[in-house]
Amino acid sequence: SQQGEEDPQALSIQEGENATMNCSYKTSINNLQWYRQNSGRGLVHLILIRSNEREKHSGRLRVTLDTSKKSSSLLITASRAADTASYFCATGPGNTGKLIFGQGTTLQVKP
Amino acid sequence: NAGVTQTPKFRVLKTGQSMTLLCAQDMNHEYMYWYRQDPGMGLRLIHYSVGEGTTAKGEVPDGYNVSRLKKQNFLLGLESAAPSQTSVYFCASSFAGEIYEQYFGPGTRLTVT
Repeated sequence: SQQGEEDPQALSIQEGENATMNCSYKTSINNLQWYRQNSGRGLVHLILIRSNEREKHSGRLRVTLDTSKKSSSLLITASRAADTASYFCATGPGNTGKLIFGQGTTLQVKP
Repeated sequence: NAGVTQTPKFRVLKTGQSMTLLCAQDMNHEYMYWYRQDPGMGLRLIHYSVGEGTTAKGEVPDGYNVSRLKKQNFLLGLESAAPSQTSVYFCASSFAGEIYEQYFGPGTRLTVT
């Protein structure tokens, strides 16, 4: 069964707007990661946030983590057409060697 | 560095046929993973390995076998392919477990008729 659930499943915005995607999970975690997948390609790691962190930034990406609510959000600011992709959250429960991926959010950025 | 490579990129099998998917990484990573991706299902872990000579079952291991004879290679075998195994298969590697990012290969698109 999937650990992470992304919301929304699909998102369509105009270039320049901000995009927010949410991820909820069920069990305690060691860390949470976000990945991007362009159509027909493999996943690419974006950012990792540890369970003792609340917010992390990387360029136009901002990730928050609320362990009390078992949720995370990914914000992409000033979106570009090149940001069009599917975005997945993945959780590391800790000491398992594995990540558990959610079903993803498909983002379309219209030029 | 090539990163993670997968062979082949595409394959069509008939029901009952067998095949092996090859994954290779040149980053000296300890951990390697095989996932399948189906529409609306995200990625599901098939098998993984925490080091040379070791393998472990993931979420959906039935119908698949794996081997990690060399640290840089992770093989996924289908002994008797079924239409339900039609999917895109991704290999990934990481330095050491879930506290590190995973690096993914480009995928293998498999169709079983």
